[in-house]
Formats: sequence, C-alpha cells, structure tokens
Amino acid sequence: DAGVIQSPRHEVTEMGQEVTLRCKPISGHNSLFWYRQTMMRGLELLIYFNNNVPIDDSGMPEDRFSAKMPNASFSTLKIQPSEPRDSAVYFCASSSPAGFSYNEQFFGPGTRLTVL
Amino acid sequence: DQQVKQNSPSLSVQEGRISILNCDYTNSMFDYFLWYKKYPAEGPTFLISISSIKDKNEDGRFTVFLNKSAKHLSLHIVPSQPGDSAVYFCAASASGTGNQFYFGTGTSLTVIP
Repeated sequence: DAGVIQSPRHEVTEMGQEVTLRCKPISGHNSLFWYRQTMMRGLELLIYFNNNVPIDDSGMPEDRFSAKMPNASFSTLKIQPSEPRDSAVYFCASSSPAGFSYNEQFFGPGTRLTVL
Repeated sequence: DQQVKQNSPSLSVQEGRISILNCDYTNSMFDYFLWYKKYPAEGPTFLISISSIKDKNEDGRFTVFLNKSAKHLSLHIVPSQPGDSAVYFCAASASGTGNQFYFGTGTSLTVIP
C-alpha cells in the first residue's frame, strides 16, 4: 500500500491567495483527519470525517478554512484567503473503523505551507 | 485549551542510556494513550499504546507507563540509540469520540553517539 498521499509537499503563496491541500487516504480506511502542526500547539486536529461525513470541525480556526470529502478516496482542505499566520505543516491521517477498540491513525508526509 | 501536555520541548541523552519522555493530561475521560514518533519531513508514525486498564506496556526497547491517579504517562527507551533521535508526540483518546486523538506539543529527543 502506498500509504496516505498528500499533495503538494510544499506550497508557497502570497497573503490573500487561495490554497488547496489534497489528501488520498489508505484504501479501506473510513476515517480521515486533518491536522496542523505548529511549535506552540503541536498537532491540532482541524476536522475529521467518518464515511465521508464531517463529524467534528470544531478545530477549524476560522471561516477561511473549509474541508470536503467528496468520496472515500479524496479530501481537500482549503484556505481562502490565506494569511501569514496560516504557515504551518498540515497533515492528513486515516484510520480503519474503530469498532470496539481504537485503531492507529496513519499519517501522510504533510504539506509545508508558507504564506508570505 | 491543551488537554495533553508535554512540558519538555527537548531532551538530550547519551547513546546506551535511558530516555524518559513525559506526558500529562487533564481529561479524566481519556482511556487510551499512544506515542507517535516523527522524523523531519515525514509524518508521525505509531510507536506504542496503552489502555487505561493497564499501567505498563512493553515493546522491545520501548515501555510506556501510565499513572491514572496522576494523569501522567511516560515513555522509556532503553537503551537509547542515535536512530531514536526524533520528535515524540503523546496522544490520548476517549471512548465514544470516534477514534479522535488529542496530541501534545511534542518532545524532540536527541541521542548523542
């Protein structure tokens, strides 16, 4: 299996521009998570989906952030308009159905976003 | 508010010695705890976990200890190796939250050869 795939790996943009981050989860996984890593807050959960449905988006910082999962194999995180304080590494992770126990989350390599 | 805290941003240890990474949590509903390891330019990878019904879980050189009364867990690495140099994240989850993990801020471990 190729693991969780994220694109692009690096993104440099100017303030005010729209940014779209993409994620392909591991086939068969039904949960998908978007995280943001910063020095101050570590790994913050932004939003997660179960079976393509957003379950908890309370971590999305502002209305400028939005996420979609149109099908089981693709998700996007969009920032519009972007601001310098959005600069961070964004991770996507997926996991198989938890059932009665917890399942580890598998992370992608991340997208390093720099907003100038 | 940060529900999982790692108060040591960094730690340096000599090769062959023990590394002890600490983690504290505030939510008494957490019943499952994990450690993830992250190398530069890569995503975090699962290392070891522990359920709240246990107080210790061991996997090779890695042992996680859980003290529920103190809301504290620690990761012991013995013996430490240069390849263990990475950022370690502690995470916690509660039943009924759909496999949602709450992560700490991470501790950067450097093992000196």
